[in-house]
Amino acid sequence: QKEVEQNSGPLSVPEGAIASLNCTYSDRGSQSFFWYRQYSGKSPELIMSIYSNGDKEDGRFTAQLNKASQYVSLLIRDSQPSDSATYLCAVNLPLDYKLSFGAGTTVTVRA
Amino acid sequence: GAVVSQHPSWVICKSGTSVKIECRSLDFQATTMFWYRQFPKQSLMLMATSNEGSKATYEQGVEKDKFLINHASLTLSTLTVTSAHPEDSSFYICSARDMTGNEQFFGPGTRLTVL
Repeated sequence: QKEVEQNSGPLSVPEGAIASLNCTYSDRGSQSFFWYRQYSGKSPELIMSIYSNGDKEDGRFTAQLNKASQYVSLLIRDSQPSDSATYLCAVNLPLDYKLSFGAGTTVTVRA
Repeated sequence: GAVVSQHPSWVICKSGTSVKIECRSLDFQATTMFWYRQFPKQSLMLMATSNEGSKATYEQGVEKDKFLINHASLTLSTLTVTSAHPEDSSFYICSARDMTGNEQFFGPGTRLTVL
């Protein structure tokens, strides 16, 4: 079983819609969870971090964490063409600072 | 804040030569830096963890004698790809962890092409 799994995508949404990205992780001891955005040919950019159960909002982005279900999600509201990218879910492995990444979900926002 | 730079941004070299890539944290001190490699349409693969003043810890399957890592200061880590071959052509990305937090910030990456 992979440590971090994301919905495979690609995900295509119309401009202005909500894009919903899902991620599950296998290690119940994981404490820190991150969403990175990666544009084609570029390096990842941290857009959200979440450490506690519940929702965390930052602008048009909302991260949701449910440790009991080992589930993290990212909602992008009012999707814009500039949101078209690959979104990577990452989880801090317990006892060290290494990140385990999911394979990524590619999002395309149609104008 | 939390800016990480890499140099060079791209490099083309002949097979058998060595290439050095620098990773710098510009506005924070990073006790730990990480080196990743990414092949086209694949996710990031962690190569090694670099701690200031100590030897790097390499992931399984990564040759430590081929990928030399030095982390001489709290703001600089270097990766040297020795005797590069075409199969080493990839996108190499470093990240740095702030001393105070759990977040990792990525450099812009170095695209290596070995002819």
